[in-house]
Amino acid sequence: EADIYQTPRYLVIGTGKKITLECSQTMGHDKMYWYQQDPGMELHLIHYSYGVNSTEKGDLSSESTVSRIRTEHFPLTLESARPSHTSQYLCASSELGTNTEAFFGQGTRLTVV
Amino acid sequence: GQQLNQSPQSMFIQEGEDVSMNCTSSSIFNTWLWYKQDPGEGPVLLIALYKAGELTSNGRLTAQFGITRKDSFLNISASIPSDVGIYFCAGQFLGNQFYFGTGTSLTVIP
Repeated sequence: EADIYQTPRYLVIGTGKKITLECSQTMGHDKMYWYQQDPGMELHLIHYSYGVNSTEKGDLSSESTVSRIRTEHFPLTLESARPSHTSQYLCASSELGTNTEAFFGQGTRLTVV
Repeated sequence: GQQLNQSPQSMFIQEGEDVSMNCTSSSIFNTWLWYKQDPGEGPVLLIALYKAGELTSNGRLTAQFGITRKDSFLNISASIPSDVGIYFCAGQFLGNQFYFGTGTSLTVIP
C-alpha cells in the first residue's frame, strides 16, 4: 500500500481565494508529481520535482505553483482560485532512475464557486 | 507532451467474461505500468513491466510489455463486479516523467 497522503480530500472555495493543497509521502521518494484530472479523463502533468529545491513545470500550463523544501512534502498553491480550476488534483511520487513506479495519493477534489 | 492511445475507450461486459485492453505509443518506453482508478480516488498500481516481451500476472490480471516497446496489453480473466473502474496505462522512458493513456472504462454487468 502506498504511503502518500493528500489533504484535504474535498474543498469548495470561493473565487479569488488562495488555497494550498497538501501532499506528503513517507517512502523517501525523491521525485514527486502533481497531476490534474477531470472526472474519467486522462491525467495531465502540471508540476514535478526531482528533489529538494527542484521544481519543474509539466506539459499542462497551470496557474498554480509548487515548492519542495522537504523531501516528503510537495504542496501546490493557487494564489487566486477561479472556476476554471475546478478539477481533481492528484499527487504522486517515485524513486529516481529507471524501472520505477509512481504511487498516487487519493486526490483532492477542488470546486471553485 | 507525449500521448498514449488506449483502446477500447469503454467496455460493457457480463460478469465472468474475460477483458482485453491495450495501449500504444509513438515512442518507445522502458517501463510500462497499469493502474486502476475508482471514482473519486487516486489510481492504484496493478502491474509494472520493465522488459520488452515480459509477461507478468497479478491474480486474474496479466499484462505484457510489447516487443516493439511501443505497446502494452492488459487482460482480466473471469471478471467480477469489483473490477469496475477506469484502467490507465503509463509509460516511462529512462528516468523521465510518466505519460498516461486516455483510459479504458470498464463496466461489469452482474
